[in-house]
Amino acid sequence: GESVGLHLPTLSVQEGDNSIINCAYSNSASDYFIWYKQESGKGPQFIIDIRSNMDKRQGQRVTVLLNKTVKHLSLQIAATQPGDSAVYFCAESDLGRRALTFGSGTRLQVQP
Amino acid sequence: TAGITQAPTSQILAAGRSMTLRCTQDMRHNAMYWYRQDLGLGLRLIHYSNTAGTTGKGEVPDGYSVSRANTDDFPLTLASAVPSQTSVYFCASSKETDQPQHFGDGTRLSIL
Repeated sequence: GESVGLHLPTLSVQEGDNSIINCAYSNSASDYFIWYKQESGKGPQFIIDIRSNMDKRQGQRVTVLLNKTVKHLSLQIAATQPGDSAVYFCAESDLGRRALTFGSGTRLQVQP
Repeated sequence: TAGITQAPTSQILAAGRSMTLRCTQDMRHNAMYWYRQDLGLGLRLIHYSNTAGTTGKGEVPDGYSVSRANTDDFPLTLASAVPSQTSVYFCASSKETDQPQHFGDGTRLSIL
């Protein structure tokens, strides 16, 4: 079936550096993409989303980039902080299907 | 604070017993969802409800049932639990089906 996957299971960065978390998706019909952050013992927390009519969207310290040609999504976190340490999930859907398909997650470790 | 409340936070259940996981949201969101999260995997959709009075099957619905009698509540029932249903269960809601989903903190369920 269609799936969403991640290139790197664990990413370790130094505090203050920028982080980039990547995600590949396989469903060419997907038109909505979303990033979640999950801390230990907590539910996923919404970070940012993007629709397929855009290729870039910025939030506070975060940027999501979408490359529909190669079906690739990335999350950029500027000036990474220890509080950013968590597992990050990408998810996708096509708005007709109305269901999110999640990737398996990338763990971000921020070294002080 | 407003959000999604799940109960219980954790439970150990004997195989063959029934169990209802509770989920309540106070955001007046139309859509609600149940996911399970297994170790090392992303979230998989069990059932969803686009609006009160309607429900639908997700990716892994077998062994689970749901009801949506009103906007706020979306209970998930395991009629006869099996060990493979050991997982962390997350409830989520969104204002509409094409908007970000917001998650509760989960119920950790162990079936012995």
